[in-house]
Amino acid sequence: DAGVIQSPRHEVTEMGQEVTLRCKPISGHDYLFWYRQTMMRGLELLIYFNNNVPIDDSGMPEDRFSAKMPNASFSTLKIQPSEPRDSAVYFCASTLDRGLGLDTEAFFGQGTRLTVV
Amino acid sequence: QKEVEQNSGPLSVPEGAIASLNCTYSDRGSQSFFWYRQYSGKSPELIMFIYSNGDKEDGRFTAQLNKASQYVSLLIRDSQPSDSATYLCAVTNTGANSKLTFGKGITLSVRP
Repeated sequence: DAGVIQSPRHEVTEMGQEVTLRCKPISGHDYLFWYRQTMMRGLELLIYFNNNVPIDDSGMPEDRFSAKMPNASFSTLKIQPSEPRDSAVYFCASTLDRGLGLDTEAFFGQGTRLTVV
Repeated sequence: QKEVEQNSGPLSVPEGAIASLNCTYSDRGSQSFFWYRQYSGKSPELIMFIYSNGDKEDGRFTAQLNKASQYVSLLIRDSQPSDSATYLCAVTNTGANSKLTFGKGITLSVRP
């Protein structure tokens, strides 16, 4: 397996534009996470899915952010409209569910570096 | 109180020394504990996990867990310049909606 795949790797956009980040988890993994990383706040959990169902979106900063997982192999994180304070590295990660909750390694994608000017 | 806290650092040690990285967590029901390493510009990667109180050793790395004190640490023996990175502590809580929460990380610099 090629691991968790994210696209694009870099995105520069103007304030007010819509941004869509994409993620393909490792095949067979049950959980998918979206994180945002900044120097100030570290790695923040935005939302996560279990078997394509959103479980906790309490980390989504505001209504401008939305995430979907239409099937087991694809997820998107959308920001509309984007703002300069959204500039960060966005990571997608996936992990396997052994039936004991989250007790296994989370594999991260390479991240998308978003810059909103 | 943040769910997972790490000293902000940075931490600098000479090559060959022991680096001690500490982490505390607020949820007493936390069940699994992880240490991830993140090189600059890269994504986090798992180096250790621990579920039970006590020590767990893997090569030069030792993870220590004390659930009563809600404390988990990582010791790196014989530190090498290649260990220079940011180390992230992560915790999962119990329950149907358990989630993986990270601390802010601590940057370790190993001086040759």
